[in-house]
Amino acid sequence: ETGVTQSPTHLIKTRGQQVTLRCSSQSGHNTVSWYQQALGQGPQFIFQYYREEENGRGNFPPRFSGLQFPNYSSELNVNALELDDSALYLCASSLKVLGGGASDTQYFGPGTRLTVL
Amino acid sequence: AQSVAQPEDQVNVAEGNPLTVKCTYSVSGNPYLFWYVQYPNRGLQFLLKYITGDNLVKGSYGFEAEFNKSQTSFHLKKPSALVSDSALYFCAAGGRSNDYKLSFGAGTTVTVRA
Repeated sequence: ETGVTQSPTHLIKTRGQQVTLRCSSQSGHNTVSWYQQALGQGPQFIFQYYREEENGRGNFPPRFSGLQFPNYSSELNVNALELDDSALYLCASSLKVLGGGASDTQYFGPGTRLTVL
Repeated sequence: AQSVAQPEDQVNVAEGNPLTVKCTYSVSGNPYLFWYVQYPNRGLQFLLKYITGDNLVKGSYGFEAEFNKSQTSFHLKKPSALVSDSALYFCAAGGRSNDYKLSFGAGTTVTVRA
């Protein structure tokens, strides 16, 4: 086990609703990345948070937003849910060292399975 | 833009035989390469990574991977597969130009038959 936890495990929402997913990073890690994994596909990078600020974003619309808290835990918020948002949402934590980055191994949580009806 | 390709959707091998899962990448500059494994209804589990140095990288559970810069490949290997190695395997790549954000391949399902 990586020590990265996510809640809830499963979630069912209807189109147009809003959802908040939560992630607790591994002890000692300061960076959280969020990924969307649609069925049968590889994870797609949504965004990354480092020291409470967004540090890079993938090709996702603004209705996907996030937060990182002083204890380095994080939230992913999705507004105006669409059917295509149904996926496994993965959180990964890592330790970013100034001047480093290349060796930041990301450790993943078990994911939240979101179903949008 | 960086990208990762896993040309095989599925790999089937007999237990005890060598296992190879293929991966090619496209990254500007020096690539940073990772392999992860995913079991059903679970998150991704880190296997190994290549940052620099020896082209042959050894990781968890007897897996290793060979970095080939000229062929832009990073194939995952295991000399003797186990039934418990049956899972979904993902190759991922990052680079300095993209601040090491990872791009993943579509995954390869490995089935090891007894």
